[in-house]
Amino acid sequence: AQRVTQPEKLLSVFKGAPVELKCNYSYSGSPELFWYVQYSRQRLQLLLRHISRESIKGFTADLNKGETSFHLKKPFAQEEDSAMYYCAPGGYQKVTFGTGTKLQVIP
Amino acid sequence: NAGVTQTPKFQVLKTGQSMTLQCAQDMNHNSMYWYRQDPGMGLRLIYYSASEGTTDKGEVPNGYNVSRLNKREFSLRLESAAPSQTSVYFCASSEAPELGEQYFGPGTRLTVT
Repeated sequence: AQRVTQPEKLLSVFKGAPVELKCNYSYSGSPELFWYVQYSRQRLQLLLRHISRESIKGFTADLNKGETSFHLKKPFAQEEDSAMYYCAPGGYQKVTFGTGTKLQVIP
Repeated sequence: NAGVTQTPKFQVLKTGQSMTLQCAQDMNHNSMYWYRQDPGMGLRLIYYSASEGTTDKGEVPNGYNVSRLNKREFSLRLESAAPSQTSVYFCASSEAPELGEQYFGPGTRLTVT
């Protein structure tokens, strides 16, 4: 099964500090990976996908095949970044999302 | 273009009652999904439908049934609700699994007492 692991349930950082949300995957081949974000009481929405190598809202994520990771990073956290973040594999019908990391940005 | 819509937004049931959660999408997507979201458990797939006329079990299908009524609509039924089914339920759709991105509905907050 294609699975991802998000080891942190909660990550608290101060405003202006760097952020790194961890995601590790445990399957071989060429994975497609996504980050979704869910702001308080809102629906999940796609934040970014690894294949596009884009930066959205200052967030980036690089696929590291050696470490089987797809960590989400932002150099300077903003209060509006506080949300739940989910890592998920793509390319498969039966998607197993990570358990999510709640990011709390402290003013 | 409403995207993915769900009804109702909130529901309270007593143990043993039944109900159907409705989901519709207007993006002409082939695949549709039902998830439940619980604190500390993340999103767990209940059922999915790869295309009109097909459904398949996900990670936590027990206690639920689904119907893919047509390409637009995918409903989730609880035949005999249990307190363990208290959760937030999300419907999602995608154009094709190989493209990956899923579009989510606003969710239904269900409480079973």
